[in-house]
Amino acid sequence: QSVLTQPPSVSAAPGQKVTISCSGSSSNIGNNYVSWYRQLPGTAPKLLIYDNNKRPSGIPNRFSGSKSGTSATLGITGLQTGDEADYYCGTWDSSLSAGYVFGTGTKVTVL
Amino acid sequence: EVQLVQSGAEVKKPGESLKISCKDPGYSFTTYWIGWVRQMPGKGLEWMGIIYPSDSDTRYSPSFQGQVTISADRSISTAYLQWSSLKASDTAIYYCASGSGNSFDFWGQGTLVTVSS
Repeated sequence: QSVLTQPPSVSAAPGQKVTISCSGSSSNIGNNYVSWYRQLPGTAPKLLIYDNNKRPSGIPNRFSGSKSGTSATLGITGLQTGDEADYYCGTWDSSLSAGYVFGTGTKVTVL
Repeated sequence: EVQLVQSGAEVKKPGESLKISCKDPGYSFTTYWIGWVRQMPGKGLEWMGIIYPSDSDTRYSPSFQGQVTISADRSISTAYLQWSSLKASDTAIYYCASGSGNSFDFWGQGTLVTVSS
């Protein structure tokens, strides 16, 4: 099972804002950069946020990331129907089982 | 922009072997790492391992160590994921993804592997 915990689902009306939390530990989020990925239904994941709060080229500023201690947060403002997807956080883990770890995933529903 | 192209869907029987591929048609194959990610039906993402094509250094998740082999052929800019003896529980979509830092920057389209008798 994943070592990064996310809420199973969040929802909001179009135009509103949602936040998704990602909780980890000192061996992962606490000492490494966090990324966020979006997976639209039936498609491959896509990088949304890297290095805690940076957006790759082409990703609108409606998406934002932050990190504090052993938790990270993804924010989506101006919610659109096209934002309905699964969202995953991810980071490296420097524990004995070192490697990359993904969060449990959060389904965003636009009401 | 890196574009990773994966091999097509596979249907195999338990006990059979399989090797799927991930090709980068671009020119920077050896400047980043390639990782493999499993997504079982209706489930989340699981990191399997990564390879650095520049020197073939490979690291595996403890969950997949000994279960799969990751390799790469620099001459054709292609990374591979292989099984020697498939199980029904290997049924999943497998994604390759590349990165040069702390994230998976670019993803392949995924390869569906179905293992059924």
